[in-house]
Amino acid sequence: GIQVEQSPPDLILQEGANSTLRCNFSDSVNNLQWFHQNPWGQLINLFYIPSGTKQNGRLSATTVATERYSLLYISSSQTTDSGVYFCAVAMAGANSKLTFGKGITLSVRP
Amino acid sequence: GAVVSQHPSRVICKSGTSVKIECRSLDFQATTMFWYRQFPKQSLMLMATSNEGSKATYEQGVEKDKFLINHASLTLSTLTVTSAHPEDSSFYICSATRQTSNYGYTFGSGTRLTVV
Repeated sequence: GIQVEQSPPDLILQEGANSTLRCNFSDSVNNLQWFHQNPWGQLINLFYIPSGTKQNGRLSATTVATERYSLLYISSSQTTDSGVYFCAVAMAGANSKLTFGKGITLSVRP
Repeated sequence: GAVVSQHPSRVICKSGTSVKIECRSLDFQATTMFWYRQFPKQSLMLMATSNEGSKATYEQGVEKDKFLINHASLTLSTLTVTSAHPEDSSFYICSATRQTSNYGYTFGSGTRLTVV
């Protein structure tokens, strides 16, 4: 099956700092999503971004499908950004299953 | 948007009993739903794909007789953990997507199962 690798596995930031989270995947995909899992386990969909660039407030994401990677940018980080960030991908096909990376644990310190 | 509701959010049960978890798509029809399991500090692992009106498709290593999935309607899938044991304690989470979604998959809020 498709492999999804996220880096770095852990990240510690001072509040206000910027960061880049990376997701590499091993095959062509038609779905790529970034999620933030909050302390209660809820997966918050940040971006649906199989290709291109999107921005939402302090967050932005870029996926270069031809090179099989995606980047999530967090600017001016806040303590509420802490948590686990997952990248998940699905290959072409109706209702194709999502495969998750191992996640990146982000800690933002005040 | 696409909203997926999951209940219960938390359940504690005795070893040997069965627990049913419901996953509903509230504002759209979902012919396919997915069930994941997440152990502490680990990623989400797909357990099975739930297909409306037909049998679920289980991932390798997942016991289909232990984790019963029923997708009786276009808005409801249920996961029943039968004869639960402490090692089944985990976070179970479902997801679904609209057929023509440009938003990808939406996840329920998850169910934390503790078997004592």
